[in-house]
Amino acid sequence: EDQVTQSPEALRLQEGESSSLNCSYTVSGLRGLFWYRQDPGKGPEFLFTLYSAGEEKEKERLKATLTKKESFLHITAPKPEDSATYLCAVQVTSGGSNYKLTFGKGTLLTVNP
Amino acid sequence: GAVVSQHPSWVICKSGTSVKIECRSLDFQATTMFWYRQFPKQSLMLMATSNEGSKATYEQGVEKDKFLINHASLTLSTLTVTSAHPEDSSFYICSAGPIAGGLLQGETQYFGPGTRLLVL
Repeated sequence: EDQVTQSPEALRLQEGESSSLNCSYTVSGLRGLFWYRQDPGKGPEFLFTLYSAGEEKEKERLKATLTKKESFLHITAPKPEDSATYLCAVQVTSGGSNYKLTFGKGTLLTVNP
Repeated sequence: GAVVSQHPSWVICKSGTSVKIECRSLDFQATTMFWYRQFPKQSLMLMATSNEGSKATYEQGVEKDKFLINHASLTLSTLTVTSAHPEDSSFYICSAGPIAGGLLQGETQYFGPGTRLLVL
């Protein structure tokens, strides 16, 4: 069974204090790993897609990396507006033409001014 | 680009009534649309996968006769919660993707803003 585990469950940072969120996964074959941001009461907002080990992607203060077992979301010098729940999801090759995602439980990030 | 809308954003209904939620991809066509539900402080749970013109595929434990899905076109899918009960109260979110043609590539799913359902 495909599994996605995110840690920590919650993280509090001071503004400007860099840190990383972890997403470890156990799947039969990885098609893609996705990072989303979700604000309270809203749908997830797409951030990154990673397809192969060693791949990295950046967007403003966020950088996502991927290994064969886990992905990290690095947040550099965060601001209060970065506060949200960050979700990791995997898509597996055994799904054939079914592109469904399996989500982790998320990391609730709070950045204090 | 890749905007998905849902309507309504909020719905309150009486127990026993049916509620229809629409999901539209506004600026792209999607081969597949997905329906999720999310309970407070929990992650997204996939309910069903639907392809245009085909019957939806439901996840284990999801009642297909209770949650009716119609996928009329590459830009519109609807979820109808039939004979709703208080335990059906939840946050329902749709997503669309992969994108069928166009400039945007890959197998990314783009999510709608969600519909909060409260059954009294």
